[in-house]
Formats: sequence, C-alpha cells, structure tokens
Amino acid sequence: DTAVSQTPKYLVTQMGNDKSIKCEQNLGHDTMYWYKQDSKKFLKIMFSYNNKELIINETVPNRFSPKSPDKAHLNLHINSLELGDSAVYFCASSQDLLAGVADTQYFGPGTRLTVL
Amino acid sequence: GENVEQHPSTLSVQEGDSAVIKCTYSDSASNYFPWYKQELGKRPQLIIDIRSNVGEKKDQRIAVTLNKTAKHFSLHITETQPEDSAVYFCAATSDSSYKLIFGSGTRLLVRP
Repeated sequence: DTAVSQTPKYLVTQMGNDKSIKCEQNLGHDTMYWYKQDSKKFLKIMFSYNNKELIINETVPNRFSPKSPDKAHLNLHINSLELGDSAVYFCASSQDLLAGVADTQYFGPGTRLTVL
Repeated sequence: GENVEQHPSTLSVQEGDSAVIKCTYSDSASNYFPWYKQELGKRPQLIIDIRSNVGEKKDQRIAVTLNKTAKHFSLHITETQPEDSAVYFCAATSDSSYKLIFGSGTRLLVRP
C-alpha cells in the first residue's frame, strides 16, 4: 500500500543521454511535485502540477519536462543530461494546493540520478 | 519570496539529552510550518507540523513552538535516542502560496 512511489530508484547514465523518472501516488491527492536534492541536501521545488495542470515552474532548464497523464501520475523527462543534473529527485503529493489551505506533502522514496 | 533559515547545520548530543533546532522565516503571510525527518538514503517524512493559530504543539518526545511576532519556530526533541539521528528540515508556506520552502537542514547525531 505504498502511498507515493517512484521508478527507478537508481539511474546511472552518460552525459548527453535522455532519461525519465516516473511517479505515482495512490492517496487521491490533486497536487504533485518534483523536488531536487543536491549533494548538500538542499531540497528545492522544481515543478508542481494540480489536476494535470502546471502551477509551479521554478526556473528549471527546459531540458526538464514534466508530464502528468492524470492526477495520480507525474513523470519527469530530462533531455541532454549534464553532470550537474546528478542529484536525488523526489516526487511528492498533497491535497489540492489550489483549495486555499496549505497541507502536508508526502514524499516518494527518491531517484538517485548519477550522470557520468 | 519566502526564505527559511535553519540553525544549527549540525548538532551532536548525548543519548537522553534534549535537542533544539531553530528556524526563521521571512514572509509574514506564512501560516503552515512542517518539520521533516530524513534518514540516510530515505525520503523526508513529516514528523510534526504547526499552524499559525497555535503557539505550541507536542507529540510524545517531539514539540514545536512558533513565535509569529519574531517569525521563528523551533523543534524540540527530548530524551533523544540513537534512532533520532537523521537530517531534520523545517519548512514554511502559506495558504496562498504554491510553494513549500525548506530550510537547509540540520544533521542530528545522537551519541549512545
């Protein structure tokens, strides 16, 4: 009964490649997020989708393209991977962000991306 | 935009002692303050949160206090145990913001 799941857990790839990370939540939440956690452990929001619509895009290079086929899924595709993209990427979800009440975010297990 | 500062960056305590982690925020509109614990190689997990309509909240050995006037909030862990060793993150947001802004994290080590 995993609440927020991500695949793959580890991703090792060469510079210049394109890769995708998938995220699914079974909590019935309307809002999903992607965060990047760098080597110093800073957690920074990248994107947020509410009911399949993009509502946050935090100055992320356009090599990163999120896609939400439905409100339970939010995938992250990264083109032309660079060394600096190496990090742990966390998916998260919460109740409806647009409902006007800040709510708890639940995180997935993370995907450790290593670009060689 | 909101900025959250967290101190200290590392904290080492003896088992059984108390640990206190402090955060300050910049946006006076912030009204929701969660605390997350992240064990090594694991996901951040909510351990306690507080909204601006209360000044303190307690859950067993963990408590959070909020001073809205000074714009700071703190996490207190009493009777620390080795399994409390982890990185702790504070965060802040408001009902009208779409973003949860995290502090830089505190690495807590509880020495047996």
